[in-house]
Amino acid sequence: NAGVTQTPKFRILKIGQSMTLQCTQDMNHNYMYWYRQDPGMGLKLIYYSVGAGITDKGEVPNGYNVSRSTTEDFPLRLELAAPSQTSVYFCASSYPPGQGSEQYFGPGTRLTVT
Amino acid sequence: ELKVEQNPLFLSMQEGKNYTIYCNYSTTSDRLYWYRQDPGKSLESLFVLLSNGAVKQEGRLMASLDTKARLSTLHITAAVHDLSATYFCAVDIRRNGGATNKLIFGTGTLLAVQP
Repeated sequence: NAGVTQTPKFRILKIGQSMTLQCTQDMNHNYMYWYRQDPGMGLKLIYYSVGAGITDKGEVPNGYNVSRSTTEDFPLRLELAAPSQTSVYFCASSYPPGQGSEQYFGPGTRLTVT
Repeated sequence: ELKVEQNPLFLSMQEGKNYTIYCNYSTTSDRLYWYRQDPGKSLESLFVLLSNGAVKQEGRLMASLDTKARLSTLHITAAVHDLSATYFCAVDIRRNGGATNKLIFGTGTLLAVQP
């Protein structure tokens, strides 16, 4: 199993550009999550999904969009990138709360907006 | 709103010494997670604590949860250099009396173990 994979590993965007961060998991997890980690800080939840077709906002959703068309994939879209979105983005997945809720994290995408 | 505070934020300790990292949170929850992050890397799950009084141990690390005090501790015994990393606690947001898997993370404790 590859676990949770993310692409790209690094990206530099200009202000106002858009991009999609890709996330795929092969553990058949229903739940998937997107977090951002600013330097020296903990992770903050951007969006999460409890299954295909179902998404909900986390703590810091502004400036982002998500979709979940399959169990495996959970892309994060940045529209009109801003310097405040410079961060490391982690995708994670898990089973539902009642089935063992440990989250497994991908390797991260380091994004710089200049 | 759930807030999660860790202390200390930075801990420099000598090999062989013992120490404890504290994680306090502000609202009711009975699920707490500890993660480790090495510099430039992703997060690795250490412990999942699912009830009041839960205690888990792995090697030189032991984690416990007191839901009444809203406190978890990560105790390090006889530290070694390989334990140098940032440690995060994360608390599950409860809704309608149940767990959600939505986590609020602490700001992390940077542990540096000196030879």
